[in-house]
Amino acid sequence: EAGVAQSPRYKIIEKRQSVAFWCNPISGHATLYWYQQILGQGPKLLIQFQNNGVVDDSQLPKDRFSAERLKGVDSTLKIQPAKLEDSAVYLCASSSSGRYNEQFFGPGTRLTVL
Amino acid sequence: GDSVTQMEGPVTLSEEAFLTINCTYTATGYPSLFWYVQYPGEGLQLLLKATKADDKGSNKGFEATYRKETTSFHLEKGSVQVSDSAVYFCALGGSNAGGTSYGKLTFGQGTILTVHP
Repeated sequence: EAGVAQSPRYKIIEKRQSVAFWCNPISGHATLYWYQQILGQGPKLLIQFQNNGVVDDSQLPKDRFSAERLKGVDSTLKIQPAKLEDSAVYLCASSSSGRYNEQFFGPGTRLTVL
Repeated sequence: GDSVTQMEGPVTLSEEAFLTINCTYTATGYPSLFWYVQYPGEGLQLLLKATKADDKGSNKGFEATYRKETTSFHLEKGSVQVSDSAVYFCALGGSNAGGTSYGKLTFGQGTILTVHP
């Protein structure tokens, strides 16, 4: 079974530029999550999708971050404009519906904002 | 809201030493508890889980018991190996009484484990 795919693996941009990350979840997984992991901290949820609908985006800085999951499969997360404090690893995870939150994580995208 | 607190790190051990990484949590309802591991350059991997009080999760020689009375889920291993060097995250996921999850995981800050030969 293929795991969660993410691209790019690394990205370096200047502040105020825009950037987009892509995630393809495990086939058949209805729920998709984007987490932000700042160096030295645990991951923090940015947004959760159930199929192509948003379940929780309470921690997403909506003035600069956006995310979509068209057709309920892959997803993109965008930052525009980026700030220095957005430097982090962006993790995508997926899970099947229902039980026990068992989430499978992709390798992450490491973003550096200069 | 839900929160997870892990012991301060990093932890440095010699091979074959006993490992304990403490984890305590605050949550309402019926949380499930997880330990995830992150090896250098890789994504998070589920190490073990427990979905109700007194459950013991185990995998690869690691164990953790869901203690509701002390709101704890400490990770233990009797004899660590160099290959266990990684960052370990304790996490909590909210669930209803039937085990259906509410979604997001709440993570602790992570504990860096380094094992020397």
